[in-house]
Amino acid sequence: GIQVEQSPPDLILQEGANSTLRCNFSDSVNNLQWFHQNPWGQLINLFYIPSGTKQNGRLSATTVATERYSLLYISSSQTTDSGVYFCAVSGNYGQNFVFGPGTRLSVLP
Amino acid sequence: DTEVTQTPKHLVMGMTNKKSLKCEQHMGHRAMYWYKQKAKKPPELMFVYSYEKLSINESVPSRFSPECPNSSLLNLHLHALQPEDSALYLCASSLSDKWEEHTGELFFGEGSRLTVL
Repeated sequence: GIQVEQSPPDLILQEGANSTLRCNFSDSVNNLQWFHQNPWGQLINLFYIPSGTKQNGRLSATTVATERYSLLYISSSQTTDSGVYFCAVSGNYGQNFVFGPGTRLSVLP
Repeated sequence: DTEVTQTPKHLVMGMTNKKSLKCEQHMGHRAMYWYKQKAKKPPELMFVYSYEKLSINESVPSRFSPECPNSSLLNLHLHALQPEDSALYLCASSLSDKWEEHTGELFFGEGSRLTVL
């Protein structure tokens, strides 16, 4: 099955800093999503981005499917950005989405 | 309305109990999913239902029994669980689970946090 890696595993930022999170995957994908899991466990959709670039406020994402990676950019980070960021992908033969191990982000005031 | 509703939010059960987790969506989605998440780990897929039929079972023990009564509802029946089954159980839905370009965006509920004593 598809393997998903995320880096860095942990990230500590001062409020206002920018960051880049990376997701690498081992095979071609049909679906790719970025999620933010808040401290209460809810998975919040950030981007559905199997290819291309999208922006939503302070967040943007780029997926280069031919090179098998996706990047999530967070600018001007806020304490409410803290939590775990997951990349999830599914391949070309179904919906068995695989999650990466996550990046745990802590934004300090 | 992009909402997936899960009940109960918290559940404590003994190893001999029978309980059920429920999930509901009204987005017209035809694929529904159960995921299990242990502390500090990513969610792991358990089951996928497509058009009310079980399409994926990721070798889940039979003490977990899924049911999809209709396209909006998904249940997970629990019986004779073990303490190691304590986890956050997440339900999700997507427009389709077919290999169609870009119809697979997942929407998650808030989860049901299960503790088995």
